[in-house]
Amino acid sequence: GIQVEQSPPDLILQEGANSTLRCNFSDSVNNLQWFHQNPWGQLINLFYIPSGTKQNGRLSATTVATERYSLLYISSSQTTDSGVYFCAVGGGGSYIPTFGRGTSLIVHP
Amino acid sequence: KAGVTQTPRYLIKTRGQQVTLSCSPISGHRSVSWYQQTPGQGLQFLFEYFSETQRNKGNFPGRFSGRQFSNSRSEMNVSTLELGDSALYLCASSNGGPRDTQYFGPGTRLTVL
Repeated sequence: GIQVEQSPPDLILQEGANSTLRCNFSDSVNNLQWFHQNPWGQLINLFYIPSGTKQNGRLSATTVATERYSLLYISSSQTTDSGVYFCAVGGGGSYIPTFGRGTSLIVHP
Repeated sequence: KAGVTQTPRYLIKTRGQQVTLSCSPISGHRSVSWYQQTPGQGLQFLFEYFSETQRNKGNFPGRFSGRQFSNSRSEMNVSTLELGDSALYLCASSNGGPRDTQYFGPGTRLTVL
């Protein structure tokens, strides 16, 4: 199956800083999503982005499918951005997502 | 539209017991998937149901089973609970296609004593 690696595993920032989270995957994909898991465990969709670039407020994401990676950018980070960010990819004819191990982000005030 | 709901939110059981968790998908969604999340193994896929049929299955023992009803609501059952089954169980719903977005419920946190 598809292998998914996320980096860095942990990230500590001061409020207002910018950051880039990376997701590498081992095969071609037809589905890629970024999620934010809040401290209560809820997984919240951030982006559906199997290719291209999208922006939503302070967050943006880029997937370069031909080079098998995706990046999540967080600008002007806030304490509410804390949590774990997961990349989930799916390939082939059906969508059974494989999740990376996540990047744990802590934003200090 | 209402989001994905899961009940109960928290559950404490003892070894050897069985448990049933419930998931109500977003209205109109026909696919429901279940995941187990533990600190050691991360997020692992359990199974997916589409139109009342199990369409995909992860690598879990037969103690883990599920079903989907005609209204797309789904239940998962774990029999003969083990300590290692303590986890956050997440359910997600989608339209069921390979390019569809998955929407997750808040999860059921199961503790096995």
